[in-house]
Amino acid sequence: EVQLVESGGGLVQPGGSLRLSCAASGFTFSSYAMSWVRQAPGKGLEWVSGISGGGGGTYYADSVKGRFTISSDNSKNTLYLQMNSLRAEDTAIYFCAKSTHFFGSSGFDYWGQGTLVTVSS
Amino acid sequence: QSALTQPASVSGSPGQSITISCTGTSSDVGGYNYVSWYQQHPGKAPKLMIYDVSNRPSGVSNRFSGSKSGNTASLTISGLQAEDEADYYCNSYTSSITYVFGTGTKVTVL
Repeated sequence: EVQLVESGGGLVQPGGSLRLSCAASGFTFSSYAMSWVRQAPGKGLEWVSGISGGGGGTYYADSVKGRFTISSDNSKNTLYLQMNSLRAEDTAIYFCAKSTHFFGSSGFDYWGQGTLVTVSS
Repeated sequence: QSALTQPASVSGSPGQSITISCTGTSSDVGGYNYVSWYQQHPGKAPKLMIYDVSNRPSGVSNRFSGSKSGNTASLTISGLQAEDEADYYCNSYTSSITYVFGTGTKVTVL
């Protein structure tokens, strides 16, 4: 059974940093692209960042480029999102999601339960 | 990258069919057959309902179907049921090597 479990969310001050983790199990982690998707309170879904299976390529939305870094550790089957220079508008639930195939393919077929990031002084 | 455009709300009676549109550009929806649809109930993670424009994952009811014409993709729910009441989002791969979600549609079963 595929499972994705996020952790690392919390309250952080504007300008601060946070690292999110997503522990994956039930599939060959290195063979699939992964993404982070966020949802601000009461708002819609926003794709944030993605990484190719094996970590060969990383991709970012313009809203986080230069501030967030996605990475993965295939030995630990874990996806990460390092978030720096956080702003109030980064406040959201952050979901990790598994792609159906390679990065650029259609569909995120498994999602974690999400972890809440709150940026506030 | 601007969000894809969806109607804010769509409603229907049990047993009816409804269609949700998702309008983008030639740089996303119109340029690739990598459109997917998600159902999200309150407080839950999204669930994949359609991928590659019209394919259903295993376990998703055949009452859900997808299509695309030009820059607009559509999700049709036939035989509407109370459990279909949820938010629905489309998603597309883009020429910027990113993904973009739709604005979201709240489906109400009357």
